[in-house]
Amino acid sequence: AQKVTQAQTEISVVEKEDVTLDCVYETRDTTYYLFWYKQPPSGELVFLIRRNSFDEQNEISGRYSWNFQKSTSSFNFTITASQVVDSAVYFCALSEVNSGYALNFGKGTSLLVTP
Amino acid sequence: EAGVVQSPRYKIIEKKQPVAFWCNPISGHNTLYWYLQNLGQGPELLIRYENEEAVDDSQLPKDRFSAERLKGVDSTLKIQPAELGDSAVYLCASSSRDTNTEAFFGQGTRLTVV
Repeated sequence: AQKVTQAQTEISVVEKEDVTLDCVYETRDTTYYLFWYKQPPSGELVFLIRRNSFDEQNEISGRYSWNFQKSTSSFNFTITASQVVDSAVYFCALSEVNSGYALNFGKGTSLLVTP
Repeated sequence: EAGVVQSPRYKIIEKKQPVAFWCNPISGHNTLYWYLQNLGQGPELLIRYENEEAVDDSQLPKDRFSAERLKGVDSTLKIQPAELGDSAVYLCASSSRDTNTEAFFGQGTRLTVV
């Protein structure tokens, strides 16, 4: 069963628009971590953020912000004032104690930002 | 500091031939992962090493895939014989002893089996 669901397969926005990428996860562990990675066309996975299950505080880093809500098992990612360089595939991932903290990825959301 | 280094970047082989991928993790990282990424999908774990020990190889197709991490540093993933369905990107990642930290990924090896 898919533990991380990214319902949006592809999103296309015009530059300067805000965009939110959704992520819903499933786990029975009380201790777990959530991640977002960016994969540009070059192929390398770039780490963006890690959140542990005990910290529901939202985080902002420049144009990026993350909303973690345990009540809905969601960890959504918002890009404010999107730019062409934000075009990439974004992956949400879950790591659990019972799997030795190996990353369990969603299928990714492909974001295209056009000028 | 150098990141995770993988080679080769690209490999094209005929089916039934063997192929090997190499990974050099970030210095000091004791945990090493091999992931498989099919087109349009997220990476899927193949094997996880803690130092030289494979602690999770449950998803590794052992009939044709093998991996080793001698001396707990570099790692090699091998496929023998390769099948058409093995065409994918093979990603290596590493993380520090504190398993709560993020994993850093290499650029991957794109394998095409023809």
